Amino acid sequence: GENVEQHPSTLSVQEGDSAVIKCTYSDSASNYFPWYKQELGKRPQLIIDIRSNVGEKKDQRIAVTLNKTAKHFSLHITETQPEDSAVYFCAARGLTGGGNKLTFGTGTQLKVEL
Amino acid sequence: SQTIHQWPATLVQPVGSPLSLECTVEGTSNPNLYWYRQAAGRGLQLLFYSVGIGQISSEVPQNLSASRPQDRQFILSSKKLLLSDSGFYLCAWIPPWGTGADNEQFFGPGTRLTVL
Repeated sequence: GENVEQHPSTLSVQEGDSAVIKCTYSDSASNYFPWYKQELGKRPQLIIDIRSNVGEKKDQRIAVTLNKTAKHFSLHITETQPEDSAVYFCAARGLTGGGNKLTFGTGTQLKVEL
Repeated sequence: SQTIHQWPATLVQPVGSPLSLECTVEGTSNPNLYWYRQAAGRGLQLLFYSVGIGQISSEVPQNLSASRPQDRQFILSSKKLLLSDSGFYLCAWIPPWGTGADNEQFFGPGTRLTVL
C-alpha cells in the first residue's frame, strides 16, 4: 500500500518568514495530494490540495508543489502569522487497496513566533 | 450544503464498558465513510471505511467494530473498552464519484474518548 513520509516533525519560524513542509509518497499511481491543518483540539481542515496532472497550485499565502518523478510534494506558507500555528498533515490517495483511502503523513507541528 | 455530525462530543468510560459512537452525514447520498483514531499528539490512524450500506472494511485488528445501517450513518462500537482505546475519534466522508468534488475528504468534529 501507500506510504507517506513527512518532514520536519516540528518547525519554528519567526512571524513573516516562510515555512516549508515536505512529503514523499511511495505509490507512483497516487493521483491526489491534500494538505490539512489541525488546530489544538479541533478536526483537521482541508486547506489546499493538488491533483497529479498539476505541478503547482496557489491560494493566497499557501502553495503546494508536486514532483511526480521524484514522488514528493511540498506545502509552502509565506508571510507566516501566529494563526498559522497548528499541526499540518499531508496525505496521498493511492489506487491500490480500494475505498478511495487517504494515507496520511505523521504531521508537522508549526509554531510561528512573534 | 453537506454537513457531518458526530456524537457525543466527549465521553469518559471505565475499562471494560461498551462503546457506541455515531456519525451522520447530511446533504449527500452514497458517500464513502471513514473512522479514524488520533492518540494524543499523534497522527491519524484509519480504523474502518465503508463504501456502502452494510459494507465495512477494517484496516487494523482491534477490539473495535463498525457498522453502516443506513446510507448516511456510520457507527463505531466496542464490547469492552481498553485503556489504549482512549483518543480522538474522527469520522470523515468523501462525496460520491462523479460529483466533481469526489476527491475531497471532510472530517467531522470528533469525539474525545477517555477510558479510565
